[in-house]
Amino acid sequence: AQKITQTQPGMFVQEKEAVTLDCTYDTSDQSYGLFWYKQPSSGEMIFLIYQGSYDEQNATEGRYSLNFQKARKSANLVISASQLGDSAMYFCAMRGALLSNDYKLSFGAGTTVTVRA
Amino acid sequence: AAGVIQSPRHLIKEKRETATLKCYPIPRHDTVYWYQQGPGQDPQFLISFYEKMQSDKGSIPDRFSAQQFSDYHSELNMSSLELGDSALYFCASSLPGLAGIEQYFGPGTRLTVT
Repeated sequence: AQKITQTQPGMFVQEKEAVTLDCTYDTSDQSYGLFWYKQPSSGEMIFLIYQGSYDEQNATEGRYSLNFQKARKSANLVISASQLGDSAMYFCAMRGALLSNDYKLSFGAGTTVTVRA
Repeated sequence: AAGVIQSPRHLIKEKRETATLKCYPIPRHDTVYWYQQGPGQDPQFLISFYEKMQSDKGSIPDRFSAQQFSDYHSELNMSSLELGDSALYFCASSLPGLAGIEQYFGPGTRLTVT
């Protein structure tokens, strides 16, 4: 079984500053995938970034980077140079072992980010 | 680029009625997932299909059924609707196997049961 924990229900960040969203996970799988999704108030789920458990480099996508610490089972999302449009709910999610056919996503409870001008 | 299409986008039903949600995956995606997101909740996996066969099942009520058709679109049928079924229902699609690392989500169908 997989479990994702996001301990920050809500965060405020000043425009142009960086913000780190925490995510820890628990799994018995040796290989797995970690994802971050953004859900604005309109409701759609927007894929932000992916990290494979065997990837040696931390994933980066534009202003998003994933601070992957495998030994600590954490996969924190860093958003640099925050913009007003970054205000949304952010979900950390995990997918099972890559060769297990267990491809469904398990989500954390989410963190609401509010960017202040 | 083509995205996942879900219809309808909004649906209002009364208790004990039935509802059918449709999902059209991205072309060449043969894997479809359904998720249910209650108000203020994280998405919960319901069911998935690969090549028109059910591949995994989550916490889907017995009142719900789903299938994937020959053109890979999928339908989620919900009967005897309850107030607690009010939620945002997402469909996601992916390529098969290791190529399908990323799931592409549709815009969701917001179901309100009154």
